[in-house]
Amino acid sequence: DAGITQSPRHKVTETGTPVTLRCHQTENHRYMYWYRQDPGHGLRLIHYSYGVKDTDKGEVSDGYSVSRSKTEDFLLTLESATSSQTSVYFCAIRGTGDEKLFFGSGTQLSVL
Amino acid sequence: ILNVEQSPQSLHVQEGDSTNFTCSFPSSNFYALHWYRWETAKSPEALFVMTLNGDEKKKGRISATLNTKEGYSYLYIKGSQPEDSATYLCAFIGAGNNRKLIWGLGTSLAVNP
Repeated sequence: DAGITQSPRHKVTETGTPVTLRCHQTENHRYMYWYRQDPGHGLRLIHYSYGVKDTDKGEVSDGYSVSRSKTEDFLLTLESATSSQTSVYFCAIRGTGDEKLFFGSGTQLSVL
Repeated sequence: ILNVEQSPQSLHVQEGDSTNFTCSFPSSNFYALHWYRWETAKSPEALFVMTLNGDEKKKGRISATLNTKEGYSYLYIKGSQPEDSATYLCAFIGAGNNRKLIWGLGTSLAVNP
């Protein structure tokens, strides 16, 4: 257990509403990631962070923003949710040493 | 564009069979290759992190090899069990660029009892 939790686990929302997903870690790791998982696409990187206030875009960043105001929390915001953002979202942290990723339990988001 | 390909896309085997699948990745600018196991309704879990050409890693009945010069890694499962049923993902990490992971789409393994 790498001390990573995601919230909420499930969310149903309506098109056009803002949504924020939270990823919290207790291990003080520098790198944190947000992925989405969709059938036929595997894991796609949305945004990642390499330190407090240091973030960068991934391959599918349009419609998403992130913030990392402290080491332990990495927030993913959908400013105005669309049905195409219905997906399972995974947060991950990069461990030290061999740098393998540890994943959170995922958030199932449905945008109606 | 960096591409990571995994084959086959899916595999059905009988309990007790041994099986293997492939991850192909760019042969230049290599930093590391990761293997993850992803069971349905769970999160991916790391199996191996491989960094050196010729590396061989083993965890129980699962092992992996790495050839960085030709850009491929094999994952082997000896004597498959139903609990091995999962999707197996590989991820390539190139040197530089904050060492982002480039993921394959995975090989889905189903082991029939």
